[in-house]
Amino acid sequence: DAMVIQNPRYQVTQFGKPVTLSCSQTLNHNVMYWYQQKSSQAPKLLFHYYDKDFNNEADTPDNFQSRRPNTSFCFLDIRSPGLGDAAMYLCATSREDGGTDTQYFGPGTRLTVL
Amino acid sequence: GNSVTQMEGPVTLSEEAFLTINCTYTATGYPSLFWYVQYPGEGLQLLLKATKADDKGSNKGFEATYRKETTSFHLEKGSVQVSDSAVYFCALSEVEYGGSNYKLTFGKGTLLTVNP
Repeated sequence: DAMVIQNPRYQVTQFGKPVTLSCSQTLNHNVMYWYQQKSSQAPKLLFHYYDKDFNNEADTPDNFQSRRPNTSFCFLDIRSPGLGDAAMYLCATSREDGGTDTQYFGPGTRLTVL
Repeated sequence: GNSVTQMEGPVTLSEEAFLTINCTYTATGYPSLFWYVQYPGEGLQLLLKATKADDKGSNKGFEATYRKETTSFHLEKGSVQVSDSAVYFCALSEVEYGGSNYKLTFGKGTLLTVNP
């Protein structure tokens, strides 16, 4: 029944050790998004894919990369996590990249950096 | 750029009380407006939305009206329940100046706790 699935739900990594977060969707939506949400803050868009087209936000650090090998899956790679990257990472999807479209969110992955 | 300001929480109410969470926005054009809710341990889910001025979004007893003249989209519910305890996010969707893609901009969220 789940529509947007994120694995793992909790991830612990060490300072500087690369980590990959996973998102999959059963909605067959064209657009997939990655957000970073720090404690008591609003979700902040890192980047999104419209189909295979990648759109990076101007202020997303180079340390953050993403891959979308097919419609269903999207990955967030953090090449060298710092303590400041500890956060909840939210994946979302939408049917189209239009302003009125609802975004459907996964439960999030909480990343801890030691 | 675009921004959303919503009332600071936390908000604590008794069951059956009236709820208002204020939300105002800044945008260059005609954004779509949303309220998302995040229950404990879960992702965000859409509560309601409005896509043009004077539209009223409603769902599960919650309502919000898109007021262009006051750039507001306040969330209201006449009688809250314990199960409404969650974080509520106001958001807008618009293409930012100089950009080409729609972007969802969130407020900081308001934690609502409803006591029995």
